[in-house]
Amino acid sequence: QVQLEESGPGLMQPSETLSLTCTVSGFSLTSNGVGWVRQPLGKGLVWMGTIWAGGSTNYNSAVQSRLSISRDTSKSQVFLKMNSLQPEDTGTYYCARHGWEQGMDAWGQGASVTVSS
Amino acid sequence: DVVLTQTPSTLSATIGQSVSISCRSSQSLLDSAGNTYLYWYLQRPGQSPQLLIYLVSNLGSGVPNRFSGSGSGTDFTLKISGVEAEDLGVYYCMQATHAPWTFGGGTKLELK
Repeated sequence: QVQLEESGPGLMQPSETLSLTCTVSGFSLTSNGVGWVRQPLGKGLVWMGTIWAGGSTNYNSAVQSRLSISRDTSKSQVFLKMNSLQPEDTGTYYCARHGWEQGMDAWGQGASVTVSS
Repeated sequence: DVVLTQTPSTLSATIGQSVSISCRSSQSLLDSAGNTYLYWYLQRPGQSPQLLIYLVSNLGSGVPNRFSGSGSGTDFTLKISGVEAEDLGVYYCMQATHAPWTFGGGTKLELK
């Protein structure tokens, strides 16, 4: 079945670069997009960016200058890198299978990231 | 950016009651090709969001048919016909017509 699993460090220092990995199974990255969504603790959802089946990317303009999403199709992995971290980047980061019409129809369990000195 | 306003912010319901959630957009979500990219998600306590409705009114895979979506342009509604205990959580609408994709602020459904 379709599964996504986020992994990465839980605690980061301000100004550092966050690297998260989303490992997927049950579907191909060359046929499906994967998006990233952030949720600050106790707050709502914010779409951050998506890498589409063809490899192109879309980013939220609010974080575009700091964010990069890439993938390794041979390993079924999608990567999120965000630099210049600030405490307001603290939250849970979800990856989700993202189709142009069907939306985000399968989600990982989320990776908790805390940015603190 | 497109702002999605959900009302109410909190909804109290009894089991079996039918309820509706409104999602209003600051811009029309109808694109030039005639598509409307409006989605509904449910986030149960302590869990990841799950897709309920895509393209305004299409039921996601495995989603019970007590959920239904409707609307057009800037006004959209999610209806639950007979709330069950497993429906409790926070509901979000999301638009993908205008970049960046944006979510509504959420509606918390709780037991009365």
